[in-house]
Amino acid sequence: QKEVEQNSGPLSVPEGAIASLNCTYSDRGSQSFFWYRQYSGKSPELIMFIYSNGDKEDGRFTAQLNKASQYVSLLIRDSQPSDSATYLCAVNDYKLSFGAGTTVTVRA
Amino acid sequence: DAGVTQSPTHLIKTRGQQVTLRCSPISGHKSVSWYQQVLGQGPQFIFQYYEKEERGRGNFPDRFSARQFPNYSSELNVNALLLGDSALYLCASSSMSGGVSEQYFGPGTRLTVT
Repeated sequence: QKEVEQNSGPLSVPEGAIASLNCTYSDRGSQSFFWYRQYSGKSPELIMFIYSNGDKEDGRFTAQLNKASQYVSLLIRDSQPSDSATYLCAVNDYKLSFGAGTTVTVRA
Repeated sequence: DAGVTQSPTHLIKTRGQQVTLRCSPISGHKSVSWYQQVLGQGPQFIFQYYEKEERGRGNFPDRFSARQFPNYSSELNVNALLLGDSALYLCASSSMSGGVSEQYFGPGTRLTVT
């Protein structure tokens, strides 16, 4: 079983809609979780991190964590064409363990 | 402030050769981690250094080695290159090792082995 799994893409959403990205992890002891955005040919860019159960909002992004279900999600509200990228979920245990990523395309 | 810098940007090597990649962390950051990313996959952890000591090593062969200098910059060395070493090599900088310390990535070095 992979340490971190993300819902398979690609995910296509219309401009202005909500994009929902999901991630599960295998190590129940994991404490902190990160979401990165990666544009094609570029390096990952940190969007936000979360380590407490519940929701954490930052602008149009909301991260949700449920440790009992070992589940992390990222919501992108009012999706814009500039949000088209691959989104990487990572578990932080001094090293980052990444999922394979979900590619999002926002249709204008 | 400058972000994480890496050099070179691109590199083409032949099988069997050796390569050295360089990374300078964000000013004030003492931890550097190295990751390998092949196309279509998430980055895979190679090494982490904190205060010039190795804090962790991923599942990579001994052909991969690294070190951190007193100014916290770091080098990743790969010997006896294989075609499968072709990838984007990423350096990440953080203020500390572990916990919730955010890791910020440099632009990466694209290595092609022919």
